[in-house]
Amino acid sequence: RKEVEQDPGPFNVPEGATVAFNCTYSNSASQSFFWYRQDCRKEPKLLMSVYSSGNEDGRFTAQLNRASQYISLLIRDSKLSDSATYLCVVNVNTGFQKLVFGTGTRLLVSP
Amino acid sequence: GAVVSQHPSRVICKSGTSVKIECRSLDFQATTMFWYRQFPKKSLMLMATSNEGSKATYEQGVEKDKFLINHASLTLSTLTVTSAHPEDSSFYICSARDGGQPQHFGDGTRLSIL
Repeated sequence: RKEVEQDPGPFNVPEGATVAFNCTYSNSASQSFFWYRQDCRKEPKLLMSVYSSGNEDGRFTAQLNRASQYISLLIRDSKLSDSATYLCVVNVNTGFQKLVFGTGTRLLVSP
Repeated sequence: GAVVSQHPSRVICKSGTSVKIECRSLDFQATTMFWYRQFPKKSLMLMATSNEGSKATYEQGVEKDKFLINHASLTLSTLTVTSAHPEDSSFYICSARDGGQPQHFGDGTRLSIL
């Protein structure tokens, strides 16, 4: 079983749509959680951290359920520029801290 | 914001060549640097973690003699792919952090071995 699992997509949505991505992780020792965005042939960029209380940054809302080991990202009012791959990332402490990346969910927003 | 520079961004070379990739933290001291590899449509896979002045810690399945990592200063780490072969062709990305701060990623190096 992969440490971090995501639906690879692609999710094809029209501009203005609301889209949700899910992610599950297997290591209960995971300490912190993030969503990264990766454009084609580029490095990943931090989109937002994810907290148990849920957090929002503009059109983006992230949720964490530690009991279910489940993370979500909601994007409202999708823009063309939101088209990218969204990576679910977990920080695991295995003696030292390291990031474990999901394979990513691809989002395509069309006019 | 924190900047990590990776060089070169693109390398094309013949099989058997050794390739060195540099990762520099430009405006902070990187006590820890990470090297990742990403194959097409796959997730980033951590190859190794290096702390300044120490030997790198390699992930399972990554050959330390094949992928030489040097982290001799607080602003520079290098990854050398020795005697590269076509199967080593990939996107290599470094990241750096200062202590417990978030990781900052370099732009990545696209390596193509002919």
